[in-house]
Amino acid sequence: EMQLVQSGAEVKKPGESLKISCRGSGYTFANYRIGWVRQMPGKGLEWMGIIYPGDSDTRYSPSFQGQVTFSADKSITTAYLQWNSLKASDTGMYYCARVRLGVDVWGQGTTVTVSS
Amino acid sequence: DIQMTQSPSSLSASVGDRVTITCRASQGIGNDLGWYQQKPGKVPKRLIYAASSLQGGVPSRFSGSGSGTEFTLTISSLQPEDFATYYCLQYNSYPWTFGQGTKVEIK
Repeated sequence: EMQLVQSGAEVKKPGESLKISCRGSGYTFANYRIGWVRQMPGKGLEWMGIIYPGDSDTRYSPSFQGQVTFSADKSITTAYLQWNSLKASDTGMYYCARVRLGVDVWGQGTTVTVSS
Repeated sequence: DIQMTQSPSSLSASVGDRVTITCRASQGIGNDLGWYQQKPGKVPKRLIYAASSLQGGVPSRFSGSGSGTEFTLTISSLQPEDFATYYCLQYNSYPWTFGQGTKVEIK
């Protein structure tokens, strides 16, 4: 069964760093891009960008360029989303998803809460 | 960037109604469009890809149509489990973009 399993919920303070993970299984992880999607509380889905685990090529949406960093380690079939200095406005649910004609398989989501 | 304008933002409908949701792209995207359903507190689920191809396991009452700049998701006979928020996603060019969402509520 193809699946993406994300790391657990995080509670952080403003200014702290964070790296969340997304582990793929049931398919050849290196062959499919991984997309990241944000959903702020009570709001819609926002496309953050995409990474190709095969060569770590990344594309960021303009709103997220410079704010987050995508990475991937194909040897352990895991993609990462990282912040160097969190803000309260980063609070939300973050989904990873496999890219195939849009996105087909979604992770369960990671809740990030940033509060002083 | 390609803007996706989804309408309506919300609608009220009854079980058995035919429901239509539209997404308009700010420039042509061929058929590189998907439709997603999200229920409260749940992970989004793909219903349609390539504008009109039904995802496996999705009931046939869901259908998609359109190409270029105008796309439609139709639910032919609304069922109780279809009350949710629906999003379109264009994947023709980076950055990909979602529509703002359409919340389908019970009348």
